[in-house]
Amino acid sequence: EIVMTQSPATLSVSPGERATLSCRASQSVRSNLAWYQQKPGQAPRLLIYGASTRATGIPARFSGRGSGTEFTLTISSLQSEDFAVYYCQQYNNWPPLTFGGGTKVEIK
Amino acid sequence: EVQLVESGGGLVQPGGSLRLSCAASGFTFSSYWMSWVRQAPGKGLEWVANINQDGSDKYYVDSIKGRITISRDNAKNSLYLQMNSLRADDTAVYYCARDYCTNGACFPGSYWGQGTLVTVSS
Repeated sequence: EIVMTQSPATLSVSPGERATLSCRASQSVRSNLAWYQQKPGQAPRLLIYGASTRATGIPARFSGRGSGTEFTLTISSLQSEDFAVYYCQQYNNWPPLTFGGGTKVEIK
Repeated sequence: EVQLVESGGGLVQPGGSLRLSCAASGFTFSSYWMSWVRQAPGKGLEWVANINQDGSDKYYVDSIKGRITISRDNAKNSLYLQMNSLRADDTAVYYCARDYCTNGACFPGSYWGQGTLVTVSS
């Protein structure tokens, strides 16, 4: 099973600033990585798949990069609605599909 | 409009069983892989199982394999999760999701239900 590790656990950012979240896989997942956003009391929302392709309707301020074992999600200028928990997930070696533990982006 | 609505959650005693349902609408249900994902209170996401379009392929997470069965009824546009021998650590919100398939893999995509809470407690 591929283990996904996200860092940091919590990221404190001011509105308008850039946020960079990291995700590391225990072995190569090539570019088969997705990012999700989850707000309290809501279902997750797919942001990125293929490591860098934005899902339908996702704003351009969200960008993903990386391949192999190291990935980043960048939010270029944080808006109030972006404060949430973000999860990465690999789909290269499945089953199982595996998620990282999440990064909470909070208001500084 | 794509809609996924879960039901069937509730309080169940340890060792008990529960069948979750997910009613799909707004898309051709029989054309999509579907997944169940769960989230324990205050914890992260855990993929549980998925199933292909006609129900002939099913995949499960090892930690609960043997205690759960995913199934679907395309005539009823419904997805199911039968859970047996439930334990306290199965307590979670269970989400159904429409999968997105690419590069030979299928994973939860852009459409999720609101979730149904399963509480295992005596």
